[in-house]
Amino acid sequence: DAGVTQSPTHLIKTRGQQVTLRCSPKSGHDTVSWYQQALGQGPQFIFQYYEEEERQRGNFPDRFSGHQFPNYSSELNVNALLLGDSALYLCASSSLLAGGPWNEQFFGPGTRLTVL
Amino acid sequence: AQRVTQPEKLLSVFKGAPVELKCNYSYSGSPELFWYVQYSRQRLQLLLRHISRESIKGFTADLNKGETSFHLKKPFAQEEDSAMYYCALTSGNQFYFGTGTSLTVIP
Repeated sequence: DAGVTQSPTHLIKTRGQQVTLRCSPKSGHDTVSWYQQALGQGPQFIFQYYEEEERQRGNFPDRFSGHQFPNYSSELNVNALLLGDSALYLCASSSLLAGGPWNEQFFGPGTRLTVL
Repeated sequence: AQRVTQPEKLLSVFKGAPVELKCNYSYSGSPELFWYVQYSRQRLQLLLRHISRESIKGFTADLNKGETSFHLKKPFAQEEDSAMYYCALTSGNQFYFGTGTSLTVIP
């Protein structure tokens, strides 16, 4: 099991563009959460998906949207990119049945997004 | 509102010395608290959670509701403990990380 995988590793976009980041959860996990980590900061919760629906959402604008597929993989989409969206985007997976979505989150390596 | 505060960005201790990483939280309900750790060139991973009351790699953390703290402690620091440590809290429908403390254990 490769654990949580994310693609791409790095991405460079310009202001106003749109971006899609991808995440495959750890085998056996059904819940995916996304985080934004700016330089020198802790991860900030964006949203969480379970059963292909957004279940929880942090304090992020509607420009941030997501999707979960039947195989539990997930995408994070960001529209109308701003310079401030430059960050490391982390995906975490967990099992709702094994103690709940927050009980133990397994993190991916992240996607580094740079907006120019 | 800041939910989790880690007052020290950097902390250095000598090998064999006790170490305490501070974490204070603000939440009116009954939070669940965690410590996550990120070793160099590795992924963020769970170290321990308060509901388990467990000791992992010699680390313990006690939830003090009166002081709203969840400090991480280890009696004898090892070089392999050098890492970035994040305190985290869930309110049930949100998850909050602190800004992290970078621990360096000096040989």
